[in-house]
Amino acid sequence: QKEVEQNSGPLSVPEGAIASLNCTYSDRGSQSFFWYRQYSGKSPELIMSIYSNGDKEDGRFTAQLNKASQYVSLLIRDSQPSDSATYLCAVNLNTGGFKTIFGAGTRLFVKA
Amino acid sequence: EADIYQTPRYLVIGTGKKITLECSQTMGHDKMYWYQQDPGMELHLIHYSYGVNSTEKGDLSSESTVSRIRTEHFPLTLESARPSHTSQYLCASSDHRGTGVEQFFGPGTRLTVL
Repeated sequence: QKEVEQNSGPLSVPEGAIASLNCTYSDRGSQSFFWYRQYSGKSPELIMSIYSNGDKEDGRFTAQLNKASQYVSLLIRDSQPSDSATYLCAVNLNTGGFKTIFGAGTRLFVKA
Repeated sequence: EADIYQTPRYLVIGTGKKITLECSQTMGHDKMYWYQQDPGMELHLIHYSYGVNSTEKGDLSSESTVSRIRTEHFPLTLESARPSHTSQYLCASSDHRGTGVEQFFGPGTRLTVL
């Protein structure tokens, strides 16, 4: 079992819809969770971080964390074609260090 | 916007050459990382550093080496490049203060070994 798992997609949504991206992780003691956006040929860009159970909203983005279920998600409201990218879930393991494990990413396509 | 720089951005080189990929950050971050990523594939950690004179190998075995003589500088060296080294190399840094283990990435170096 991978430490961080994501559906590779592609996930296709129409413009204006809500895109829902999901991620599960195996280390129950993990404390820090991140979502990165990576456009094709570019480097990852941090868009959200979440540390506590519940929801965290930033503009059109909402991160949701459920530590009991070892599940973190990203919702993108009013999806735009410019949101088309690969979204990487990342988890900082509770190993006493600063090692972050990245998922393989979910490709999102927003159709105009 | 993160201030982390990588040079060169693109490099095409012949087999057997020695190359150094440069990475510098101006944020004073103590942690720095090198990742390797093939097109459409996941990131693989190949080296990391917790501070000056501290370097560790990552999860993916790599023939490259790194050094950390200054906080802001974390170069990666390949003594003898091979076609199997063709990939994108991404440098990142993070700050341990507060809850900040967020990593910020440089623009990457796309390496092609002929």
